[in-house]
Amino acid sequence: DTEVTQTPKHLVMGMTNKKSLKCEQHMGHRAMYWYKQKAKKPPELMFVYSYEKLSINESVPSRFSPECPNSSLLNLHLHALQPEDSALYLCASSRTGSNTQYFGPGTRLTVL
Amino acid sequence: KQEVTQIPAALSVPEGENLVLNCSFTDSAIYNLQWFRQDPGKGLTSLLLIQSSQREQTSGRLNASLDKSSGRSTLYIAASQPGDSATYLCAVNYGQNFVFGPGTRLSVLP
Repeated sequence: DTEVTQTPKHLVMGMTNKKSLKCEQHMGHRAMYWYKQKAKKPPELMFVYSYEKLSINESVPSRFSPECPNSSLLNLHLHALQPEDSALYLCASSRTGSNTQYFGPGTRLTVL
Repeated sequence: KQEVTQIPAALSVPEGENLVLNCSFTDSAIYNLQWFRQDPGKGLTSLLLIQSSQREQTSGRLNASLDKSSGRSTLYIAASQPGDSATYLCAVNYGQNFVFGPGTRLSVLP
């Protein structure tokens, strides 16, 4: 099974709200990733967790806060977002950092 | 700066044609390169992964090649079908830093 699941599929939030995105995989992968993708643009890497430790943070604003509670689960906590943060947020996982990445279907986020 | 480009930006072909998509990268110190397809509004589906030590990978009608020294990879699609219509992205792995190209939008006409 090469499935990465993401919830919710769609999220609409105001600029003062706090929400979380969830990503889960049960493939035994030890690297997990968050990407942001704007319309008609390629995905941009935000965070990388390797063995549940944050290993890469691509200078993402602090209003995005990642969390990796265990090897199967990855969260992205959102607070005080801006309308320009509206995008498709993609989660991916791989066995290690040098293996094939498998992507989830994404969460479509709209910030009003 | 690690940059990845793809040409053409868009391609429209009749069903049955063989076609080639191109990916170029500026920094040749790569771990591997991965090709994906993305349908509108969806996540990415992995097609092929080529490690830096490999020259070629094949899966069904797809063949990907890698020339690390010249900073190029190509994705060859044989006997294209309307179901192949999607955006094709290459992603270069620089050691947990993944840089995507802008993609090639492919339309295969019945």
